[in-house]
Order: sequence, then C-alpha cells, then structure tokens
Amino acid sequence: AQSVAQPEDQVNVAEGNPLTVKCTYSVSGNPYLFWYVQYPNRGLQFLLKYITGDNLVKGSYGFEAEFNKSQTSFHLKKPSALVSDSALYFCAVRDHRGSARQLTFGSGTQLTVLP
Amino acid sequence: DVKVTQSSRYLVKRTGEKVFLECVQDMDHENMFWYRQDPGLGLRLIYFSYDVKMKEKGDIPEGYSVSREKKERFSLILESASTNQTSMYLCATNRGEAFFGQGTRLTVV
Repeated sequence: AQSVAQPEDQVNVAEGNPLTVKCTYSVSGNPYLFWYVQYPNRGLQFLLKYITGDNLVKGSYGFEAEFNKSQTSFHLKKPSALVSDSALYFCAVRDHRGSARQLTFGSGTQLTVLP
Repeated sequence: DVKVTQSSRYLVKRTGEKVFLECVQDMDHENMFWYRQDPGLGLRLIYFSYDVKMKEKGDIPEGYSVSREKKERFSLILESASTNQTSMYLCATNRGEAFFGQGTRLTVV
C-alpha cells in the first residue's frame, strides 16, 4: 500500500524568510509526486509534480520541490515567503504503474506566513 | 484550462434528507472522483468513475452512491443524510495531475 506523511500540521514562517513544508512517501514502485495548495473554502490547486528527470522541480508562484529517492522525501520549498502563501498544503503520491484512482494524499500542512 | 464546477458552495440539509452533489467538467476526461475532506484526515476517496455508467468504490463509500450518465457529469448522492456526513466534498478529474472543483461545504443538521 502507498502512503504519504506530512509530519507537521502547522508551519509558521516570517515573511521574506525561506519556507519548507515536509513530505515523505512510501510506494512499491517509482513514485509520481504532487503538491497542491488550498485556500480557505476553496478546492485544491495544482502547484507542481515530479514524474521523472531532474530532482528539483519548479512550479507555480515561485514554489519548488526536491525529490530525494534515498530519503523518500519530496519537500516543498520557497526562497522567500509571502503573506499570501498562507494556506493549506497537500502532498500526494501514486505508483507510476498504478491507475489514476490510486492517488494518495497526506493530511495537509497549514502554512502561516507572518508579516 | 480545465474547469471543474460543483453546483453548490454551501449546503445545509436535515438528517434523513436525500442529498445530491453535482459536478461537471469541461475537458472530456475519463476519470472523475469524489473526495471528502475533514481536518487532520486529508482527502479520502469516496467513489471513482473511469467511464460513463462505470463506478468504483473508494476508501469510504458507506452511506454514499454515485451516478455518471454523461461523461462530463458525476453526481454524489447521500441516500439519507446523517450528521457525520457534515464535511467538505471535493470533485476532481485526473489526467496526469488532478484538477479540483471549488468544493461543497455540506452541513447536516
């Protein structure tokens, strides 16, 4: 079975500082990895994905994520946080051999950027 | 851009009512999903459809059913709403990455 862990329910960071939201995963084959963001009372928006290739993936709104196979991690990063980045962030994974239904989400991390 | 539209943003229903949540997508995707989202639990898959009239149970199908009569429309049905079905419901399509609707916050009183 595949799984995703987001070890921090809440991350606080000061505006202008770098931010990291952590994600670790478990799948039996090669992973497809995703990050989504959710603003209050809205659906999830796609940020970025890792399928294959370069371990550093760049996405929307200045976010990037680093795939680390040995540590089975896919942490979300941004060099300089904005107050408007405050939202709920979800990591998701599926095995590249699996069907589209087999997308497993983490429990989410609430990011708060303090002015 | 893919557009996934859920018919209601907020709903309040009484216990025992039959509730319909509608979802429409405009990109001709085969796969459509219904999730519920609860604090601390992330997204849990209720039902999935990979084609018209085809459906498959997800992780928490009890108390729910679905209908997919047309490719673009996927409906979630609560046969007899209960207070423990108060939640945020999210519809999605999937081709590579998932595309979500804006969510329906359902309150059952």
